[in-house]
Order: sequence, then C-alpha cells, then structure tokens
Amino acid sequence: GAVVSQHPSRVICKSGTSVKIECRSLDFQATTMFWYRQFPKKSLMLMATSNEGSKATYEQGVEKDKFLINHASLTLSTLTVTSAHPEDSSFYICSARSAGVEYEQYFGPGTRLTVT
Amino acid sequence: GQNIDQPTEMTATEGAIVQINCTYQTSGFNGLFWYQQHAGEAPTFLSYNVLDGLEEKGRFSSFLSRSKGYSYLLLKELQMKDSASYLCAVMDSNYQLIWGAGTKLIIKP
Repeated sequence: GAVVSQHPSRVICKSGTSVKIECRSLDFQATTMFWYRQFPKKSLMLMATSNEGSKATYEQGVEKDKFLINHASLTLSTLTVTSAHPEDSSFYICSARSAGVEYEQYFGPGTRLTVT
Repeated sequence: GQNIDQPTEMTATEGAIVQINCTYQTSGFNGLFWYQQHAGEAPTFLSYNVLDGLEEKGRFSSFLSRSKGYSYLLLKELQMKDSASYLCAVMDSNYQLIWGAGTKLIIKP
C-alpha cells in the first residue's frame, strides 16, 4: 500500500523557536496533502489542505502566519510552526492523496511536538 | 452544521463481539470511513463504505445506512491488541473528511 513518512517523529523545542515538519509520499504522487493536529483524547482537527504548487487552504481559526505550509513538489509538504509556544505542543499528522482517488487518504505516522 | 457522533468509550471482553455505532449529519456524502488509532500513533485505515449494506473484512465488518445517517463497526473475536480508539469519518461533498471524536475501546481479559 501507499506509504507516507513524517520527519521528525518527535521534537522538543524551546518557546520562541520555529520547527519544521516534513511529510513525504514515498511511492505515489500526492497532489493533495492534509495537515491535522490532535490533542490528547481528542479527534483529529484539520488545520489546512495543500495542493501541489498552490497556496494552502487553512481552516477557520488556524493562523496562516504561525503555521506555514509549503507543498512544493508532488511528494513533499512541510509544516513550519513559527515562534512556537507551549500551547502549540500537540500531535501533528499529515495525510496525502493522489489525483483522481479522492476517497483514499494515507496517513503519516505523526510528529509529537513539545514546546518547553 | 456537520456532525459525527460516536460513543466516547466502550468496554468489552476478550473473545467477545462489540459494535461501535456512528451517526452523522454532513454536507453531502462521499463515503464513510473507520480508522483504528493506537495511543501515540496515526490512524490506520479499517474500512470504507459508500453504498448501503455490510462490508466484511476478516474479524471486522462495517455497516452503512445512508437514509438513516448511520454506520457501525463490528469487531468479532476480540483480542487484547484491539484495544484502541476507533474513529468514524465521513467524506463530504468537497471530499473533505469530517471526523468523529473517536470511541476508546477497552478490552478486558
């Protein structure tokens, strides 16, 4: 089956610094990638949808300038948490799908971000 | 608004059968998904229903009734490793997944 990787799997950073999370589709071309965050014991919350080569579409309440998303190629999307604060600590998960197969979405393993 | 409802937590015994229900109200419908998520891990795909009826896949089965906005996930011959959260998600008219809050399933010996 299709494989999506995320890097890093865990990261600890100091408040005020920026962190970049990579999401890669390893064996297919991901025309669309999704970024979610998940708080403990809560469901996934969609943050933004990104299509290759265009600007990401952010969900209501998600700060565009804080969560920078780049989808520069068909196999790579990045999420940069800028000026991170402790409240940004969360589990971030990406998923990817290819063109013409809208119902298939493949999830990365997630990135645990802790901001101290 | 869009809404997915599923029980918060369920408990079952190893070897038994458990049914996890999901009801939904969404803007359009392009299929319903069930995912399994172990603590600290990303969701893994279990099933996809877009037509009414029962889809069976080994120990897991998923049922859909579009007219009732209702689905269930049936797990048979429960094993300890089935302890996890089970997420119901509906794909709306924009092909966006709308997620339920998940049902934490606790399996007891």
